[in-house]
Amino acid sequence: AQSVTQLDSQVPVFEEAPVELRCNYSSSVSVYLFWYVQYPNQGLQLLLKYLSGSTLVKGINGFEAEFNKSQTSFHLRKPSVHISDTAEYFCAVIKNTGGFKTIFGAGTRLFVKA
Amino acid sequence: DGGITQSPKYLFRKEGQNVTLSCEQNLNHDAMYWYRQDPGQGLRLIYYSQIVNDFQKGDIAEGYSVSREKKESFPLTVTSAQKNPTAFYLCASLEKPGQGRWEQFFGPGTRLTVL
Repeated sequence: AQSVTQLDSQVPVFEEAPVELRCNYSSSVSVYLFWYVQYPNQGLQLLLKYLSGSTLVKGINGFEAEFNKSQTSFHLRKPSVHISDTAEYFCAVIKNTGGFKTIFGAGTRLFVKA
Repeated sequence: DGGITQSPKYLFRKEGQNVTLSCEQNLNHDAMYWYRQDPGQGLRLIYYSQIVNDFQKGDIAEGYSVSREKKESFPLTVTSAQKNPTAFYLCASLEKPGQGRWEQFFGPGTRLTVL
C-alpha cells in the first residue's frame, strides 16, 4: 500500500488566489509528516513539518498545513500565492523499516499564472 | 556555510560506462541518502547509510553501488548494470535518525544523461 498519496499531479492557479495541495498518508506509517518544495533543477528544501502538538503547522513563505488524524491527511495551504511559488511540492512521511526512511509522494506541480 | 555539495551538476556518459557521483556534507550529519528522481515519480531511495562503514539498499538499488568510508562523503557509482540510468540524482543527509529531528537536507542534484 502506498505510504503517502498526493492527490493532484498538477495545480494551476492565478496569482493572489488561495491554493490547497492535498496529501493523504497510510495509517500504517508514523505520523511524522513533512512538506518539501523543489524549484527547477534544484534540491528539495523543507517547508514545514508535523511531529506532535498543534495540528496546524506554519512554515516558510506563508505556507501552512493541517494534520487531520481521522482523515489521515496533511494538506498544504497558502491564502494568496505568488508567481515565485511555482515549483514542485512533495509530501513525505517517516517510515521505520529497520532503518528510518523518508517516503515521498509523487509530487504536485504548482503553476502560478499572472 | 554548512551544506551538501554534489558534483558535477551535469554529467554525460556513454552507455556501458560506470560513473561516480560525488556527495559531500559539512553538517556533521550521521545519515546520508541517495535518491533518484524521474518525472512524475517523486523520489525513489537508492541507498542510505546511517553510520560510517555501513549502508543499506533502498527500493531501487540494482545497478548502483555506494561506499561510506568517511562521515562527510557518500559517493554513488552508477554501473553498466543499471538499465536506464538517465535521471536526476539527489543526495541528502539527516542529523541523527531516530532522535527527533527528521528533516532531510538536500544537495543541488546531479543530472546524469547516458548517451
